[in-house]
Amino acid sequence: GAVVSQHPSWVICKSGTSVKIECRSLDFQATTMFWYRQFPKQSLMLMATSNEGSKATYEQGVEKDKFLINHASLTLSTLTVTSAHPEDSSFYICSAYDRGREQYFGPGTRLTVT
Amino acid sequence: DQQVKQNSPSLSVQEGRISILNCDYTNSMFDYFLWYKKYPAEGPTFLISISSIKDKNEDGRFTVFLNKSAKHLSLHIVPSQPGDSAVYFCAASAWYGGSQGNLIFGKGTKLSVKP
Repeated sequence: GAVVSQHPSWVICKSGTSVKIECRSLDFQATTMFWYRQFPKQSLMLMATSNEGSKATYEQGVEKDKFLINHASLTLSTLTVTSAHPEDSSFYICSAYDRGREQYFGPGTRLTVT
Repeated sequence: DQQVKQNSPSLSVQEGRISILNCDYTNSMFDYFLWYKKYPAEGPTFLISISSIKDKNEDGRFTVFLNKSAKHLSLHIVPSQPGDSAVYFCAASAWYGGSQGNLIFGKGTKLSVKP
């Protein structure tokens, strides 16, 4: 299947700082990428849909000013957690469609805010 | 309102036996269904999918059954192996206004396959 990568795989940052997570489609172009968040023992929560060349579409309850998404090219979307706080600590995962109807997920990024 | 439900949070099966994971949905617009496998601290891995025009799709040890009238699908793993131990997510999607809607995920079922 299609390959999606994320970087970094884990990051620890201090409260109040910003963290950028990259999501890349390695062997295909993705006009649309998705960002999910997973809390412990819970399902995947869709945060936003990232559209190449346009603004992201955020799900209800997700602060767009806090979670900045940029989809600068057909193979790269970035999620920036601004002014991070401990409650932002979570597992963030991106995904993309290749040509079919299956989403392919990145390996995830573990964010810990101290 | 949960559109995709996995009512069993966990399932334990003996190695070599069949694992059956169940999923129910409420939205009759869903026309494509997927199963993902997820290990801790990793992204989900696509396993198998089925279109609503079919009632069965098989790939190796994995078979997905779809019962549209009951709005129910199931994933069968035969024979189960310890490496199958993971959380399994059911997901569904639909076409809306000419474009594909987002995947809607269930809460997952944690499968434990005991040697």
